[in-house]
Amino acid sequence: GQSLEQPSEVTAVEGAIVQINCTYQTSGFYGLSWYQQHDGGAPTFLSYNALDGLEETGRFSSFLSRSDSYGYLLLQELQMKDSASYFCAVRDQQAGTALIFGKGTTLSVSS
Amino acid sequence: DAGVIQSPRHEVTEMGQEVTLRCKPISGHNSLFWYRQTMMRGLELLIYFNNNVPIDDSGMPEDRFSAKMPNASFSTLKIQPSEPRDSAVYFCASSLDRVSDTQYFGPGTRLTVL
Repeated sequence: GQSLEQPSEVTAVEGAIVQINCTYQTSGFYGLSWYQQHDGGAPTFLSYNALDGLEETGRFSSFLSRSDSYGYLLLQELQMKDSASYFCAVRDQQAGTALIFGKGTTLSVSS
Repeated sequence: DAGVIQSPRHEVTEMGQEVTLRCKPISGHNSLFWYRQTMMRGLELLIYFNNNVPIDDSGMPEDRFSAKMPNASFSTLKIQPSEPRDSAVYFCASSLDRVSDTQYFGPGTRLTVL
């Protein structure tokens, strides 16, 4: 089977840096993805890591350690508009390579 | 491109009624996914198609749920009969292929079964 663990809630202030962790268990690992979902909206793709290391895209970065079955999303220079839910997801061999999502982390950014 | 299109955006129905949700994937995308999202269970994969063929339907909760993809530009998710516990937001997503890293989600259908 597969499972993903991420914190349910994180709070931070504008301008701060926040890290959202994700640990996973899968039967066959291909890569770790991150999606953002604003309240009432649809999930949108943020990043993907297939190899160990850090991927940077503007204010957002994503990290993967395959040996530790662990990854994180790093959000810098937080803005109010970053308040949203963030989901990690893995492609799982048992699910026919479809994406399996974690329960999501709700990030609240205050001024 | 218009993105993934879903209809209706909101549906309110009574227990026992049939509900049909519709999805038009992004043109050129070969894989289509149906998800259900609730507070309790999060974002669950129900079924996905590749080249119009169902690949994995192990997430479909029970026989009341069925999905079809008669062509590359259209898919339906049907619930018959509907029950209050089916109330959720149903998302359709598409990707270039089954191993693509990026899925594009539609706006979702918020279903309420009374």
